[in-house]
Amino acid sequence: KAGVTQTPRYLIKTRGQQVTLSCSPISGHRSVSWYQQTPGQGLQFLFEYFSETQRNKGNFPGRFSGRQFSNSRSEMNVSTLELGDSALYLCASSLVQDNEQFFGPGTRLTVL
Amino acid sequence: GEDVEQSLFLSVREGDSSVINCTYTDSSSTYLYWYKQEPGAGLQLLTYIFSNMDMKQDQRLTVLLNKKDKHLSLRIADTQTGDSAIYFCAEIMDMGRRALTFGSGTRLQVQP
Repeated sequence: KAGVTQTPRYLIKTRGQQVTLSCSPISGHRSVSWYQQTPGQGLQFLFEYFSETQRNKGNFPGRFSGRQFSNSRSEMNVSTLELGDSALYLCASSLVQDNEQFFGPGTRLTVL
Repeated sequence: GEDVEQSLFLSVREGDSSVINCTYTDSSSTYLYWYKQEPGAGLQLLTYIFSNMDMKQDQRLTVLLNKKDKHLSLRIADTQTGDSAIYFCAEIMDMGRRALTFGSGTRLQVQP
């Protein structure tokens, strides 16, 4: 069974731009969560989607948003990029009622 | 409150056992996890333990949970150079919320 895939793997943007990252969960997984990893703040929860609805949200500004499609694929968007948004963005998928979250390889975003 | 703490660095010789420790502050944690991250990669789920368990063994991995002291440990038997990575412990308090809270990670260095 294929794992979680994320595209693109690397991205370079400049301040003020916006970016969209994509995540395809493991087949059959309907819950998708997003995390941000930075050297300073570590791993932090962004939000979780299930059945095209955002169920939970972490403590991030409104510039960070996401959505989920009917095939469970998810996208996250960051608008008006700031230097501090440079990070590894990780997506995780899980079955609806399951203890395990499986992570993708991440998208490394660099904001110049 | 949510807080997960880990020591930053551990160095062992190949063939020895490694013990990585983690403390958490929220007694309502339901599941506790260990993830492995190799350079440039996402997070690999190694194992997890439910909060009503004391121990879980999975091949070379042994997880010990001391709920009274809110202490979690991961023992890796017969440590190999391929085990060199950063190890994160994480907790989830509410399966409905499905948001993992991560420690800062322990870098394990295995010397030949």
